[in-house]
Amino acid sequence: QKEVEQNSGPLSVPEGAIASLNCTYSDRGSQSFFWYRQYSGKSPELIMSIYSNGDKEDGRFTAQLNKASQYVSLLIRDSQPSDSATYLCAVITGGYNKLIFGAGTRLAVHP
Amino acid sequence: EAEVAQSPRYKITEKSQAVAFWCDPISGHATLYWYRQILGQGPELLVQFQDESVVDDSQLPKDRFSAERLKGVDSTLKIQPAELGDSAMYLCASSFNRGGEKLFFGSGTQLSVL
Repeated sequence: QKEVEQNSGPLSVPEGAIASLNCTYSDRGSQSFFWYRQYSGKSPELIMSIYSNGDKEDGRFTAQLNKASQYVSLLIRDSQPSDSATYLCAVITGGYNKLIFGAGTRLAVHP
Repeated sequence: EAEVAQSPRYKITEKSQAVAFWCDPISGHATLYWYRQILGQGPELLVQFQDESVVDDSQLPKDRFSAERLKGVDSTLKIQPAELGDSAMYLCASSFNRGGEKLFFGSGTQLSVL
């Protein structure tokens, strides 16, 4: 079992719609969770972090965490073509706080 | 705005040759990471430094890869000898906090082994 799992996609949504990206993780002791965005040919950049169960909103982005189900999600409201990218779920795990990434979900927002 | 510097941006080499990548983290960042990202996959942690000490290198192929951060600032990742399967993007990242929080990535080195 991979430590962080995501559907590879592509997830295709029309402009203006809500994009929903999902992630599961295996380490029940993990406490810190992140979403990174990676444009094609570029490096990952942090867009959201979440540490407590529930929702965390930042502009058009909402991160959701359910530790009992070991599930993290990212919602993007009013999706724009500029949101087209790969979204990487990352989880801190282990004694030295290793940041482990999932394989990423490719999102395509079409006009 | 401070950035993580990496060089070279691209590297083409033949198998069995030696290659080296350099990274200069953001000033004041104690934690430095080397990740490898194969096309279509997520970044895989190769080695994590806390200041000059290695705190995790469990996924580093130690028969051919080595990494150092001698003065706790910049770092070098070396591969010798390179193999075809080493073709990937090598990403360096740094963080102010001790482990995992808010990583800043460099532009990466795209390695092609022929």
